[in-house]
Amino acid sequence: IAGITQAPTSQILAAGRRMTLRCTQDMRHNAMYWYRQDLGLGLRLIHYSNTAGTTGKGEVPDGYSVSRANTDDFPLTLASAVPSQTSVYFCASSDSSGTSNEQFFGPGTRLTVL
Amino acid sequence: GQNIDQPTEMTATEGAIVQINCTYQTSGFNGLFWYQQHAGEAPTFLSYNVLDGLEEKGRFSSFLSRSKGYSYLLLKELQMKDSASYLCAVRDSNYQLIWGAGTKLIIKP
Repeated sequence: IAGITQAPTSQILAAGRRMTLRCTQDMRHNAMYWYRQDLGLGLRLIHYSNTAGTTGKGEVPDGYSVSRANTDDFPLTLASAVPSQTSVYFCASSDSSGTSNEQFFGPGTRLTVL
Repeated sequence: GQNIDQPTEMTATEGAIVQINCTYQTSGFNGLFWYQQHAGEAPTFLSYNVLDGLEEKGRFSSFLSRSKGYSYLLLKELQMKDSASYLCAVRDSNYQLIWGAGTKLIIKP
């Protein structure tokens, strides 16, 4: 079944630890995104990639890094986790050749940093 | 700054009609999206408006007025499964989505 997968589903992490959230899509979409969603706030863009080999910073990039080695994978790394990074993280992808270019979302990763 | 405003919560009755409003102020405009998000799940795409007017898709319709920076999502014949959060998002001049905080819709029998 085509779509986006994320791993892990949830994670509890000690502050200071390094963590990589995985995201894979099989729709051959050129663009991919990482968001965080916090209660009472809209989705906030962390990083994005318009095509394989390129990445860009979103609204809240500090403390996070990404890479886009190929079309399908877009991992998000927290170099040294802090409690303020406790959130639900969503990966999304879109096809910029379409009319609306709507974004399709993965199931999310619930991350708790203690 | 960029801002998307929508009500925090609304309550409606099963079988009725509800209108969820969204106002926006963004740097540029390249389309407005509505997404549905059930609790604990990912957002799913509902509608897209780039020109003024009404777009109808089954029980759901979305309206846009670019001059007023305003959109609404209209849900007809409400069903219990429509209980969810509804997210308004605007694509800005950088082709990035700016998201509202969402409207939690509660449907009562």
